[in-house]
Amino acid sequence: GENVEQHPSTLSVQEGDSAVIKCTYSDSASNYFPWYKQELGKGPQLIIDIRSNVGEKKDQRIAVTLNKTAKHFSLHITETQPEDSAVYFCAANSNTGNQFYFGTGTSLTVIP
Amino acid sequence: NAGVTQTPKFRILKIGQSMTLQCAQDMNHNYMYWYRQDPGMGLKLIYYSVGAGITDKGEVPNGYNVSRSTTEDFPLRLELAAPSQTSVYFCASSYELIGLGNQPQHFGDGTRLSIL
Repeated sequence: GENVEQHPSTLSVQEGDSAVIKCTYSDSASNYFPWYKQELGKGPQLIIDIRSNVGEKKDQRIAVTLNKTAKHFSLHITETQPEDSAVYFCAANSNTGNQFYFGTGTSLTVIP
Repeated sequence: NAGVTQTPKFRILKIGQSMTLQCAQDMNHNYMYWYRQDPGMGLKLIYYSVGAGITDKGEVPNGYNVSRSTTEDFPLRLELAAPSQTSVYFCASSYELIGLGNQPQHFGDGTRLSIL
């Protein structure tokens, strides 16, 4: 099955700086890559997703880039704020599209 | 605006006991999923369902059972609880249509289960 690796596992940035989280995947048939934010005691919430037919997608301060050749995708958060502090997960779908494989998460801390 | 509702939020079980984790969604989603999340790890898929009456195994199905008798409900059953099943369990749902590609999953807030 698919193997998704995520780095770094922890990340601390000063408020206003940018944060970048990277994921790699193994199955070239994967074509949907969502990113989730998980706050303490809550379930993951989708923040942005990208499909394999585009290389980049942006939503205000959040962007995701996808390199299909290298099989990696990244989350970029600009002008970070304390409320961005959370655990972020990347995921990739299976070749059947019915299953999702998650990275191990990145704990982001934004220091005021 | 309930979304995905999981009950209970917390539970402590003794080894060998059984229990059912409940999951209900009110968004008329056809796909539903059960994941477990262990400390420092990502979510691992236990079982999923693409519609009422249809279920299939995910990555880590051993020790669990599911059923999907209605579109709204997708309970997860632990028959003989083991310490290795101590985890946080998340249910999710999505609305999928062939040809549109995967759609975002909506997650519940989880059930924290401890087996002692």
